[in-house]
Amino acid sequence: EPEVTQTPSHQVTQMGQEVILRCVPISNHLYFYWYRQILGQKVEFLVSFYNNEISEKSEIFDDQFSVERPDGSNFTLKIRSTKLEDSAMYFCASRDQNGIQYFGAGTRLSVL
Amino acid sequence: GESVGLHLPTLSVQEGDNSIINCAYSNSASDYFIWYKQESGKGPQFIIDIRSNMDKRQGQRVTVLLNKTVKHLSLQIAATQPGDSAVYFCAEISFHGQNFVFGPGTRLSVLP
Repeated sequence: EPEVTQTPSHQVTQMGQEVILRCVPISNHLYFYWYRQILGQKVEFLVSFYNNEISEKSEIFDDQFSVERPDGSNFTLKIRSTKLEDSAMYFCASRDQNGIQYFGAGTRLSVL
Repeated sequence: GESVGLHLPTLSVQEGDNSIINCAYSNSASDYFIWYKQESGKGPQFIIDIRSNMDKRQGQRVTVLLNKTVKHLSLQIAATQPGDSAVYFCAEISFHGQNFVFGPGTRLSVLP
């Protein structure tokens, strides 16, 4: 069964460093998403992406964040200068034609 | 603003009993709703969805009920099993799936 894959599973970085979280969405999906989940809290929407551009973003997704689809398979989330409060699980999702989103297993980002 | 919330943060049930997890939503314009299951250390996993023009939908051991009058959504799990132990999120989705809002989650614990 096709699935969304995310790498790495755990990323440890120092405050102020740039990180890139990687996702490979399901191949025939056209809409892609990033979410984050701070430990013990609910999943929060960050950004949606369609046709090589951002279609919607939340207030969390400030200038420190960017997304890119550098090739036909990868979808990346970059945090330019990480802060302690960026520590969270980051989930990538892609959406099928019925509107159902399928999630990856997530990347745990630890900012020290 | 728009929000999706849950009445009960935790629910403990005996193995074999039925479980009912509830969710309240505020955006009456949402097109459909999804229940997700999140096991520890994993991403949200799709369980079942329901369109806004439906009142009830059944899956293999799960049933989702939608009461638009009181903006209430519930997930019923029949014959709850230990493998059902997880956090369950409801999510509401607006047109085109661009507005995707998760509730805070209910933790279901299945007792032997």
